[in-house]
Amino acid sequence: GQQVMQIPQYQHVQEGEDFTTYCNSSTTLSNIQWYKQRPGGHPVFLIQLVKSGEVKKQKRLTFQFGEAKKNSSLHITATQTTDVGTYFCAGNPGAQKLVFGQGTRLTINP
Amino acid sequence: DAGVIQSPRHEVTEMGQEVTLRCKPISGHNSLFWYRQTMMRGLELLIYFNNNVPIDDSGMPEDRFSAKMPNASFSTLKIQPSEPRDSAVYFCASSSHSGRAIDTQYFGPGTRLTVL
Repeated sequence: GQQVMQIPQYQHVQEGEDFTTYCNSSTTLSNIQWYKQRPGGHPVFLIQLVKSGEVKKQKRLTFQFGEAKKNSSLHITATQTTDVGTYFCAGNPGAQKLVFGQGTRLTINP
Repeated sequence: DAGVIQSPRHEVTEMGQEVTLRCKPISGHNSLFWYRQTMMRGLELLIYFNNNVPIDDSGMPEDRFSAKMPNASFSTLKIQPSEPRDSAVYFCASSSHSGRAIDTQYFGPGTRLTVL
């Protein structure tokens, strides 16, 4: 069935370093969403990408959707301790449901 | 706005007991999703409803799991009988289905279930 693979599973960085997580789908996606889950919390929506090749920015966060609409990435510039958490991509294969990646857990050394 | 409400927040039960998890979606949202999150399997979609009708229950693990949505403001996920491997955090999420691209899902705080 539909699978969304996300790498890396874990990432530990020094505060101020950059961070990137990658998402790959086994099939073409209608759109992709990104969520952040703080430790002990629940997933919170960050952004949705719909168009092929789309790039969106939120302050230090840059989101990209691949040309083939099968992959996506989230890049954080100059991480801060508030960025700690698990970042999930969630692909929409065309139905109303989302298929979540396994998530990338980001920890930061202050 | 109260957001998605789930109860209980924590549940500890013994193997074989019935467990009922409850969810109140955001008012006006017409899609509701039940997820299970574990370290091993990540975030899994169990079932989702649109306008109170179950649309896709292919993620429900087995017959011990059942979900209902009797009206637009309430849903339950029941496990009977519960087993230790059901221990997980169960999230409910709701969204407003516009009929076009999928909409943002708003997650509740989750129910942490421990089956002894």
